[in-house]
Amino acid sequence: DVKVTQSSRYLVKRTGEKVFLECVQDMDHENMFWYRQDPGLGLRLIYFSYDVKMKEKGDIPEGYSVSREKKERFSLILESASTNQTSMYLCASSPFTDRVGGNIQYFGAGTRLSVL
Amino acid sequence: KNQVEQSPQSLIILEGKNCTLQCNYTVSPFSNLRWYKQDTGRGPVSLTIMTFSENTKSNGRYTATLDADTKQSSLHITASQLSDSASYICVVRGGYQKVTFGIGTKLQVIP
Repeated sequence: DVKVTQSSRYLVKRTGEKVFLECVQDMDHENMFWYRQDPGLGLRLIYFSYDVKMKEKGDIPEGYSVSREKKERFSLILESASTNQTSMYLCASSPFTDRVGGNIQYFGAGTRLSVL
Repeated sequence: KNQVEQSPQSLIILEGKNCTLQCNYTVSPFSNLRWYKQDTGRGPVSLTIMTFSENTKSNGRYTATLDADTKQSSLHITASQLSDSASYICVVRGGYQKVTFGIGTKLQVIP
């Protein structure tokens, strides 16, 4: 089974703190994604990466950065956390050439971040 | 603008009853449509995928349909169980690997 592991289920931080959210996948997938999920808005793509050290902005990258130094690990960084970044953060991975599977994404359990 | 709209936003049904969730999309070009189930406090898990040439696909008590002409999909749940309580998210993949998520339908099955 594909396993996508997010380092924390719950996180409470203060405004202005630097926050690191870590995600590790064990299926050697090329693609990795970071989303945030808010009530009434659904999942919104923050950043994605299709290879080591490669990254692409998603729909809402402002206030976030990412790092992918190893294929299995994709980190989301909030340089200076703000209250409007309180949300559920979901990491996902998918194989690059998944023609049969239609590019299925495998999600982690999520990190619920509260910024006070 | 590519959009995916789901209805209803929420639904409460009695255990054992059937229900149907709707997904309308404007994504073009169309590659595939996938239904995910998201249990409370968990990440989404894929239930089924529909491609352009497929009209109906079943996965146990879940049956998805696709009408590519009207750009509509439905997810029918038969003989609901308490464990079906979850959010169901419709996701449409378009050209250049662009993925558009619906907001989801929150289903609650009560005894």
